[in-house]
Amino acid sequence: SQELEQSPQSLIVQEGKNLTINCTSSKTLYGLYWYKQKYGEGLIFLMMLQKGGEEKSHEKITAKLDEKKQQSSLHITASQPSHAGIYLCGAGYYGNNRLAFGKGNQVVVIP
Amino acid sequence: ETGVTQSPTHLIKTRGQQVTLRCSSQSGHNTVSWYQQALGQGPQFIFQYYREEENGRGNFPPRFSGLQFPNYSSELNVNALELDDSALYLCASSRPGVGYGYTFGSGTRLTVV
Repeated sequence: SQELEQSPQSLIVQEGKNLTINCTSSKTLYGLYWYKQKYGEGLIFLMMLQKGGEEKSHEKITAKLDEKKQQSSLHITASQPSHAGIYLCGAGYYGNNRLAFGKGNQVVVIP
Repeated sequence: ETGVTQSPTHLIKTRGQQVTLRCSSQSGHNTVSWYQQALGQGPQFIFQYYREEENGRGNFPPRFSGLQFPNYSSELNVNALELDDSALYLCASSRPGVGYGYTFGSGTRLTVV
């Protein structure tokens, strides 16, 4: 079974609107990483969250990690075409040294 | 500081052949991880190298092997290629220990025909 579930799988938003995507882990993690990927390209690091209840913002993107460290959300304010792409969450777990990834959230921004 | 560089960017191989993919880690990073990303899926962990030794492995067969060199660059070797090996192969470098980010390269797109 998938350790990380991302929802919704895909969404289409009108330019200027806000959007939120979610990442849920089946177990407590030590670190949650958000990446953005253009089709067929590498992963661009957005943010890393480690503490329960932590919230970080960069430009128009805000990411939060819940107190139990099992769920994260990524919120984009006033979306722009440059926000289109696939958003991947990756989690590090205690006891191993790999990142587990969800399948991604595909975001399309229409004018 | 330089980022993670992967080569080649694309290649096409025939089933049964062998392939070597290369990765130069970011300056200051001595840990390298390799991931396989099939179309429409998230990256899957292949293995990690630290101080030139394998330091964790995912659910991949032994025909997937790797090396890390003293300068922390790395190679991924795949023998006896199968059609299902067609994917984007991503390399990520990091500092050792928890709490550090992983910097990914742009990937190598491998197509097996």
